[in-house]
Amino acid sequence: DAKTTQPNSMESNEEEPVHLPCNHSTISGTDYIHWYRQLPSQGPEYVIHGLTSNVNNRMASLAIAEDRKSSTLILHRATLRDAAVYYCILAGSGTYKYIFGTGTRLKVLA
Amino acid sequence: GAVVSQHPSWVICKSGTSVKIECRSLDFQATTMFWYRQFPKQSLMLMATSNEGSKATYEQGVEKDKFLINHASLTLSTLTVTSAHPEDSSFYICSARGGGSLNEQFFGPGTRLTVL
Repeated sequence: DAKTTQPNSMESNEEEPVHLPCNHSTISGTDYIHWYRQLPSQGPEYVIHGLTSNVNNRMASLAIAEDRKSSTLILHRATLRDAAVYYCILAGSGTYKYIFGTGTRLKVLA
Repeated sequence: GAVVSQHPSWVICKSGTSVKIECRSLDFQATTMFWYRQFPKQSLMLMATSNEGSKATYEQGVEKDKFLINHASLTLSTLTVTSAHPEDSSFYICSARGGGSLNEQFFGPGTRLTVL
């Protein structure tokens, strides 16, 4: 299973954009890049996913490097409710298994 | 998005007893369900993968006789922790795949198990 590397923690001011990086240098051609976030004592919540092209949805944007060895989750305007642990996960079209790394704990400062 | 529920949300039991946790996909049919365990301040650890009507596939190091998984229908999977001990106290989370895009998983809210 391909591994992902994320910073342990990041801080952001409220109302400012946040860029959460993820390295996945061993990604295979069929691996999708998924992002989830988890609030305390809750199950992970889907944020966004992509394969090769950049993706946008109402929650965030996902920027994928051309060589696909890294990606960045972009929260355009952080709010206090965005404070959570963000996980970047690779999942191939064949296995569907998610292997969670340590994730990035995002603190949003008022 | 697709909704996954878990029941109970929390449970306290005595050492040696068995506890059953249910995971339901409410508005889609789940071809595959997954069970995770999460200890405080740690990440989620995949325990097993279950497909409807077939035996679950357990990850290395997870005792299949202790954590019994049944996936009897496309909307329900159960995890039974048999002869629970204090070290089994954890946050158990299920997820289901089948309602979204290619391989997206939707997670339940989790069940906190405390074994006294």
